Amino acid sequence: DAKTTQPPSMDCAEGRAANLPCNHSTISGNEYVYWYRQIHSQGPQYIIHGLKNNETNEMASLIITEDRKSSTLILPHATLRDTAVYYCIVRPRYSGNTPLVFGKGTRLSVIA
Amino acid sequence: DVKVTQSSRYLVKRTGEKVFLECVQDMDHENMFWYRQDPGLGLRLIYFSYDVKMKEKGDIPEGYSVSREKKERFSLILESASTNQTSMYLCASRSLQGATEAFFGQGTRLTVV
Repeated sequence: DAKTTQPPSMDCAEGRAANLPCNHSTISGNEYVYWYRQIHSQGPQYIIHGLKNNETNEMASLIITEDRKSSTLILPHATLRDTAVYYCIVRPRYSGNTPLVFGKGTRLSVIA
Repeated sequence: DVKVTQSSRYLVKRTGEKVFLECVQDMDHENMFWYRQDPGLGLRLIYFSYDVKMKEKGDIPEGYSVSREKKERFSLILESASTNQTSMYLCASRSLQGATEAFFGQGTRLTVV
């Protein structure tokens, strides 16, 4: 799986958009970008994934650059409950039996 | 909703005890995983299983073993608990079919005294 780089921490004001960047410059053509988050004392939760087109669901939007070397997860109206560690993971869509490997992620603090 | 259930949320055990952490998933997933999470170290993979009775070592298998006798259940065993195994333990499952998102349990916070 390609390596990802994320800032260790970010702050965001409540009600504003939170934009979490991820660098994956060694991504290969068959690899997707996945995002998970982990709220304190809970297990990680899947948020969204994408290949090259921008994606949106009820939780977030994912913007992937045209060269696919970086992406941004957008929480459009951050709330205090969005305070969590956010993990960006790159791996093939159908990766068989290989496990997910988590990096250190970005600790997002949403401030009232 | 997919559900991954870990048997205990909090557990306190004594050094040298044999400890069983149980994980059950209700979505007929082939893959199941055990991670531990420690401050500053992130999630580290202990063992995973891709089928009944099949297991693979992860990054930190020492001091642990696993059992998967039924598809829905994956057990993590600490043969002789030690204080350095005090940690948050997370179980996950994932299907081989279609989407490959992993689903996690709520975690078991184990304290070995």
